[in-house]
Amino acid sequence: KNEVEQSPQNLTAQEGEFITINCSYSVGISALHWLQQHPGGGIVSLFMLSSGKKKHGRLIATINIQEKHSSLHITASHPRDSAVYICAVKQRGSNYKLTFGKGTLLTVNP
Amino acid sequence: DGGITQSPKYLFRKEGQNVTLSCEQNLNHDAMYWYRQDPGQGLRLIYYSQIVNDFQKGDIAEGYSVSREKKESFPLTVTSAQKNPTAFYLCASSIDGRGNTEAFFGQGTRLTVV
Repeated sequence: KNEVEQSPQNLTAQEGEFITINCSYSVGISALHWLQQHPGGGIVSLFMLSSGKKKHGRLIATINIQEKHSSLHITASHPRDSAVYICAVKQRGSNYKLTFGKGTLLTVNP
Repeated sequence: DGGITQSPKYLFRKEGQNVTLSCEQNLNHDAMYWYRQDPGQGLRLIYYSQIVNDFQKGDIAEGYSVSREKKESFPLTVTSAQKNPTAFYLCASSIDGRGNTEAFFGQGTRLTVV
């Protein structure tokens, strides 16, 4: 069983829809990262959080430490949001290691 | 502009040859990392370095080697001992190696062994 599970694996939406991507993890963590990977392959860090909620533009990330669950929400989705979204956790007690989910492929159609 | 530069973007290698992937950062970050990405799998850590002249093996270090002679550079050599080298390779850096700071990633190098 993977330590970091994302759902869904693939998601197709129409422009303007509200998007939710989920991440569950089975280990104790000190931080959780949400990353965005565009078709060219480069990765951009969207959020790093250890509690509560963060917002940046149309993106919102939440985390529930007790339930070991995080969600990434995209409001008013746009075709340029089409990408792979990756959840990664830093395990508590590890000095360096991030454990990555397999990613969620989001396609937003116009 | 600060960032991480990986080169080349695409690389072809004949079986049995060593090849070196470049990673340079001008963010003044202490920690640097190399990850491998395969279809349908999460990123896996090959090597990491928390400070100049020091590096540690990650989860899949066999068949790879690195050096960290300068703070801004962390080249990865894929040796002929790596049994399945065709993959997408990503370099990353962070202010420190504690994992609680934002990670910055390069654009990646796609290596194909022919």
